[in-house]
Amino acid sequence: QQPVQSPQAVILREGEDAVINCSSSKALYSVHWYRQKHGEAPVFLMILLKGGEQKGHEKISASFNEKKQQSSLYLTASQLSYSGTYFCGTPQKEYGNKLVFGAGTILRVKS
Amino acid sequence: ETGVTQSPTHLIKTRGQQVTLRCSSQSGHNTVSWYQQALGQGPQFIFQYYREEENGRGNFPPRFSGLQFPNYSSELNVNALELDDSALYLCASSQLGGYEQFFGPGTRLTVL
Repeated sequence: QQPVQSPQAVILREGEDAVINCSSSKALYSVHWYRQKHGEAPVFLMILLKGGEQKGHEKISASFNEKKQQSSLYLTASQLSYSGTYFCGTPQKEYGNKLVFGAGTILRVKS
Repeated sequence: ETGVTQSPTHLIKTRGQQVTLRCSSQSGHNTVSWYQQALGQGPQFIFQYYREEENGRGNFPPRFSGLQFPNYSSELNVNALELDDSALYLCASSQLGGYEQFFGPGTRLTVL
C-alpha cells in the first residue's frame, strides 16, 4: 500500500522552514527519502531505519516514529536548490520488500 | 564512475505495439529495478532483477517483462501497449541489499 505524503505542495521563501510528512497504514521498518528536480531523475537523500539509525548524504534532518508509522523530513533555512518533489518510499512485503513510493510533495523555494 | 543511462530518451508508439527500453547500470552495481512514473505521481515499482533473475515484482501484468544481462544492463519490454502505459520509465541500479538506488534519467513513453 502506497504511503501517504502531506502536504501535497508547499511554497517557501528562502530561509524559511518546511516539514514533509509520510505515513503508512502498515508497520514500517525503514523509510527512504528521495528528491526529484523537474525533468531529472530522483536522487537519494536518506534512509531512516528502525531503531533510530539514519544514513544519508545531505544535511537534512528527519524523524521516524515506528509506533505512529510516520516519518517527517525537516528542511530548515531552505535554499533555492531545495526546490523539487520529495518522495518517501517504504518497503512492501508483497513486492519482496521493494520500495513503494508516495505520490510526492512539491516544494518550491522562492527568492 | 559512469552513472545509470537509459535509452531512448523519448518514444512514441501506438496502441497494441510492443516496446523495449534499455538501461545500463552504474559500474559495480548488480541489481536493476524498473519503475513507472505517471505524471504527477511517485515512481511505481515494476520489478527488480538480480543476477539475471527476477527478484521481486510489483502489481503489473505479465505483458511487462524484463531481462538482465551478464554485464548487469537490463531491458524492459512491454507488449500490447495501452494508452495508460504512457509514462516516464525509470531504471535504478544498486547493490543487492544496499539502501541507495541510483536512478537513470528515464525514458518518456507516449502511447497514441
